[in-house]
Amino acid sequence: DAKTTQPNSMESNEEEPVHLPCNHSTISGTDYIHWYRQLPSQGPEYVIHGLTSNVNNRMASLAIAEDRKSSTLILHRATLRDAAVYYCILRANYGQNFVFGPGTRLSVLP
Amino acid sequence: DVKVTQSSRYLVKRTGEKVFLECVQDMDHENMFWYRQDPGLGLRLIYFSYDVKMKEKGDIPEGYSVSREKKERFSLILESASTNQTSMYLCASSFGAVDSPLHFGNGTRLTVT
Repeated sequence: DAKTTQPNSMESNEEEPVHLPCNHSTISGTDYIHWYRQLPSQGPEYVIHGLTSNVNNRMASLAIAEDRKSSTLILHRATLRDAAVYYCILRANYGQNFVFGPGTRLSVLP
Repeated sequence: DVKVTQSSRYLVKRTGEKVFLECVQDMDHENMFWYRQDPGLGLRLIYFSYDVKMKEKGDIPEGYSVSREKKERFSLILESASTNQTSMYLCASSFGAVDSPLHFGNGTRLTVT
């Protein structure tokens, strides 16, 4: 399974945009990029996923580099409820496994 | 909304007991997964199932078995619980398509004493 690299932690101010980076230099052409987040005392929650093109949904935007070796999750206006651990994961086209790394712990300051 | 329900939020068992963790999903998902989550080690896959009666070992299957007799239900069994199996256990499900997201339950915190 291709690996991802994320910063251990990041901090943001409330109501400001947040850009969470993820490096995946060994990504293969058919790997999907998924993002999940885990709030305290809950299971991980799906945020967004993409293959090549940038994606938007009600929770966030996903910007994928042209060479696909990196991606960025964008929270347009951080709220206190966005404080969580964010995981960037690659899902292989052929396999069923999701491999979770340690993720980025996002703190949101009021 | 997809609902993945784990039967217990907290569980305390004794060493050597046989432990059953149950998970039910209501979205007709083909795939179901069991992970454990430990501080500093992240989420690790124990077993997954892509169809009824089908199962595949994940990264850490030792000491565990699973059962999937019905599509909506996936059980994790600790044959003889040990203290090193004290952990948070998370069940998840997804459709079979490779771009389908995972949906998680809220977890079962198991303590083995």
